[in-house]
Amino acid sequence: ETGVTQTPRHLVMGMTNKKSLKCEQHLGHNAMYWYKQSAKKPLELMFVYSLEERVENNSVPSRFSPECPNSSHLFLHLHTLQPEDSALYLCASSQDGQGETQYFGPGTRLLVL
Amino acid sequence: AQKITQTQPGMFVQEKEAVTLDCTYDTSDQSYGLFWYKQPSSGEMIFLIYQGSYDEQNATEGRYSLNFQKARKSANLVISASQLGDSAMYFCAMREPTIQGAQKLVFGQGTRLTINP
Repeated sequence: ETGVTQTPRHLVMGMTNKKSLKCEQHLGHNAMYWYKQSAKKPLELMFVYSLEERVENNSVPSRFSPECPNSSHLFLHLHTLQPEDSALYLCASSQDGQGETQYFGPGTRLLVL
Repeated sequence: AQKITQTQPGMFVQEKEAVTLDCTYDTSDQSYGLFWYKQPSSGEMIFLIYQGSYDEQNATEGRYSLNFQKARKSANLVISASQLGDSAMYFCAMREPTIQGAQKLVFGQGTRLTINP
């Protein structure tokens, strides 16, 4: 595997379900990110982890819970989601330092029924 | 707060023609970075090109070049000799000041580019 991978690629869940999104980066980076992309809205940054510590949480509802067990893996745990949470969830990684490019995974398309 | 504006929701171009995608930005920082990403229908955001605010030369990467006009706060993407595979959404993004080593990107609304055969 190379680059940034995400699983699953597609997910349909009910509002009472609990599911997790997984992201793995094979680039040796030390910062990872979760973004949400809804229809007709710009990408929104949700969480930032640097050196496995959360450094940014953009006022995301508590029904989204991130986890970064090591510098290569990032999870987004989902519970009691709402239909408006249906979106494309993108993971990205970068190397610590100014001006480093973020590289994105293919995303998980989430549909909440 | 930083802001990115892409004023072209959609563009249609004939194959092999050059195309310019507009991007203007607003920031009070002296040091910043500008990125362009391509998003095909598959969803993945593909990095295309980067321009630093202190770079004196316009960035180029193959068929992609960035027309950086600092005084006008614009960073337009130019694609030369367009190909059918260039059809996708294109996003302009700006790097916000780093937080504990990690960077934040602010994205524009995007431009949907369609290349016609």
